[in-house]
Amino acid sequence: EDKVVQSPLSLVVHEGDTVTLNCSYEVTNFRSLLWYKQEKKAPTFLFMLTSSGIEKKSGRLSSILDKKELFSILNITATQTGDSAVYLCLIGGTSYGKLTFGQGTILTVHP
Amino acid sequence: GAVVSQHPSWVICKSGTSVKIECRSLDFQATTMFWYRQFPKQSLMLMATSNEGSKATYEQGVEKDKFLINHASLTLSTLTVTSAHPEDSSFYICSAIPLGGGGNEQFFGPGTRLTVL
Repeated sequence: EDKVVQSPLSLVVHEGDTVTLNCSYEVTNFRSLLWYKQEKKAPTFLFMLTSSGIEKKSGRLSSILDKKELFSILNITATQTGDSAVYLCLIGGTSYGKLTFGQGTILTVHP
Repeated sequence: GAVVSQHPSWVICKSGTSVKIECRSLDFQATTMFWYRQFPKQSLMLMATSNEGSKATYEQGVEKDKFLINHASLTLSTLTVTSAHPEDSSFYICSAIPLGGGGNEQFFGPGTRLTVL
């Protein structure tokens, strides 16, 4: 059974801190790893990672995948209160479109 | 681009009634849409895969007679919760894969909060 484990499950920081969210996985057939940010409603897409060692960046967010060790990290630097959300790690396998979800990491950023 | 809408965003109904939730891809066509359910403080749980023009594929443990899915066109899928009970109260989210997409990046709707009294 495919499995995605995120850690920590929750994290409380202050504005300006840097956070690292972890996602490890065990899947039968790996196609891609995706990070989403979920606030009150729909998850919004952050990154899709398919190759090891290539960092993807978007503003203060960055992510990298290690396909040998089967994990990914999502970094957020200089956190802001608007970064408070649930961050979801998803794995896309060979079954078209079906994603395996991690439990999510609840990030709370205090002013 | 790539916007998915859901209607209604919020619904309250009496126990025993049926509720229909619509999921629309507004600016793209989608042969495949997915329906998820999310409980408080938990991640999304895939309920079923909705394919245009064919029967939906349900995940293990999801009652297909209770959660009726119809994918009538390339831009619309509906989820009908039949004879709803309080335990069906949840947040239902759909997602869609653009036609020709690789199947990985999905676009999520804003969700529908269902409360069954």
